[in-house]
Amino acid sequence: GQNIDQPTEMTATEGAIVQINCTYQTSGFNGLFWYQQHAGEAPTFLSYNVLDGLEEKGRFSSFLSRSKGYSYLLLKELQMKDSASYLCAVPPNTDKLIFGTGTRLQVFP
Amino acid sequence: GAGVSQSPRYKVAKRGQDVALRCDPISGHVSLFWYQQALGQGPEFLTYFQNEAQLDKSGLPSDRFFAERPEGSVSTLKIQRTQQEDSAVYLCASSLLLGGRHNEQFFGPGTRLTVL
Repeated sequence: GQNIDQPTEMTATEGAIVQINCTYQTSGFNGLFWYQQHAGEAPTFLSYNVLDGLEEKGRFSSFLSRSKGYSYLLLKELQMKDSASYLCAVPPNTDKLIFGTGTRLQVFP
Repeated sequence: GAGVSQSPRYKVAKRGQDVALRCDPISGHVSLFWYQQALGQGPEFLTYFQNEAQLDKSGLPSDRFFAERPEGSVSTLKIQRTQQEDSAVYLCASSLLLGGRHNEQFFGPGTRLTVL
């Protein structure tokens, strides 16, 4: 089966750092995606990891450990606009994405 | 337009009615995907096309669900005899190619279907 786990909700303060974890067990692995989804809007691409290690892109970084089936998304210098759901997704093959339930992040002033 | 568009954005149907949801992918994108997203959940795969060929429909929940992409561009997801459990947001996504980073899927805003 396919299983992707991430926390349901997290809260943080403006300006802080937050780490959203994701663990996966899938029949195959063709990289790991993180998407951001604001309420009522389309998911938008944040990052893609296929090799172990940390990928940094501005305030957002994503880490992957394939041997542990683990990834995290790190958000620095949090802003109010970062309040959204963060979706971890794995394509077991080269096509469809298997998503976790999403982590709803609330940033407070 | 530059992105994936979907219509209608909102649809209210009475139980038993048929509905048709439309997706316009990004021009030139080979692959097109449909997902169903229940409230507070992540998207769940329904079906996908490579050009006009439907390569995987394993996620369609019942034979009341049907999708087509006859000319390899616009796609329609049809739900016959809608039931209350069909209420969800239906997301369409397209990608340039298959595999690796090129599998980045660009999502439309979704159609929120409410079945009364």
